[in-house]
Amino acid sequence: QVQVVQSGAEVKKPGSSVKVSCKASGGPFSTNTINWIRQAPGQGLEWMGRIIPVLGSTNYSPEFRGSVTFTADESTDTAYMEMNSLRNEDTAVYYCAINPDYVDSSGSYMEYWGQGTLVIVSS
Amino acid sequence: IVMTQSPLSLPVIPGESASISCRSSQSLLHGNGKNFVQWYLQKPGQSPQLLIYLGSNRAAGVPDRFSGSGSGTDFTLKISRVEADDVGLYYCMQALETPRTFGPGTKLEIK
Repeated sequence: QVQVVQSGAEVKKPGSSVKVSCKASGGPFSTNTINWIRQAPGQGLEWMGRIIPVLGSTNYSPEFRGSVTFTADESTDTAYMEMNSLRNEDTAVYYCAINPDYVDSSGSYMEYWGQGTLVIVSS
Repeated sequence: IVMTQSPLSLPVIPGESASISCRSSQSLLHGNGKNFVQWYLQKPGQSPQLLIYLGSNRAAGVPDRFSGSGSGTDFTLKISRVEADDVGLYYCMQALETPRTFGPGTKLEIK
């Protein structure tokens, strides 16, 4: 059973950056697919992209490409999502969600979810 | 790939069944013969949880009251004998292509 723990809430100024962490335990880290999902207040789920440590690959949704960077530290079993040039509209809960497989043909489902990290962007 | 759901609001009497429809703008049938659609439930104040993957496979620990069906572009989540604990937002999501895309969500509430 994989446990996923995210970093705590953040309050940021417009134009600044935020880095959210996602620590996975209870299974091999590098063969996970780590997805990042955004949920604005009162809104639905939006897939931001993913990182697959064992393949050294990332995929970004077009909406977030250029403003978001995913990284992974295999020495600490932790993934990170960094977002730059924050705007008020980036206020949201950010989830990491893990598929304990790196092969898309197995279904690519997000089985384990973190508790979410609230990021508030406000001047 | 655009995902749509209906209805967006679903009031249900406990003990009755409920169905949610999900449609995709293109076929979600993978070359391996499986449909790359998933269903998630987000209970109030909680993170989403996986219910169904590959169209009809229940995730670990999900009661057999939940079932997924469909193929191609039309999919259905059925909940039998609805309980009070089933309230929340139900999302379908396609995993055939990136970017992954979710439906708008269906809010199930108890009458």
